[in-house]
Amino acid sequence: EVQLVESGGGLVKPGGSLRLSCAASGFTFSTFSMNWVRQAPGKGLEWVSSISSSSSYKYYADSVMGRFTISRDNAQNSMYLQMNSVRAEDTAVYYCARSHSTVIPDLDYWGQGVLVTVSS
Amino acid sequence: EIVLRQSPATLSLSPGERATLSCRASQSVTSYLAWYQQKPGQAPRLLIFDASNRATGIPARFSGSGSGTDFTLTINSLEPEDFAVYYCQQRSNWPLTFGGGTKVEIK
Repeated sequence: EVQLVESGGGLVKPGGSLRLSCAASGFTFSTFSMNWVRQAPGKGLEWVSSISSSSSYKYYADSVMGRFTISRDNAQNSMYLQMNSVRAEDTAVYYCARSHSTVIPDLDYWGQGVLVTVSS
Repeated sequence: EIVLRQSPATLSLSPGERATLSCRASQSVTSYLAWYQQKPGQAPRLLIFDASNRATGIPARFSGSGSGTDFTLTINSLEPEDFAVYYCQQRSNWPLTFGGGTKVEIK
């Protein structure tokens, strides 16, 4: 069974940093690209970042470019999102999701999400 | 950036009725469009990929159609568990983008 479990969320002050993790199991992690998608409270879905299976390619939304860094460790079946210089508008539930299709993906499995709250 | 507009914002229907949801793209996405269902407090679930292909385990009452800029998600004979928010997503161009969602609520 495919499982994605996010961790690392919490309350962080504006300008601070946080690192989210996504632990994957039930599939060959090293062969799938992975993604982060977020959802602000009461709002819709917003794609944040994607990383290819070998980390060769990384993509970011304009809203987080230069502040967030996606990475992965295939030996640990894990993906990460380093969030720096966070802003109030980064407050959201962050989901990790597996890519279903190659190149530019749709997303077939999602974690339960982790809440990040940016507030002083 | 490709903008996806979903309509209506809210659809009020009764169990057993048919739901027809629309997603319109600001430019052609060929057939690279997916649909997701999200229930309160849950992660989204992939329903349809590449406009018309049901994802694994998705019941046959869900169907997708369209190409280019206009797409439709149809839910035949709504079941109680189908009342949720539905999002479309394009994978034609970076960045991935989602529509604003359609809420299907019980009338």
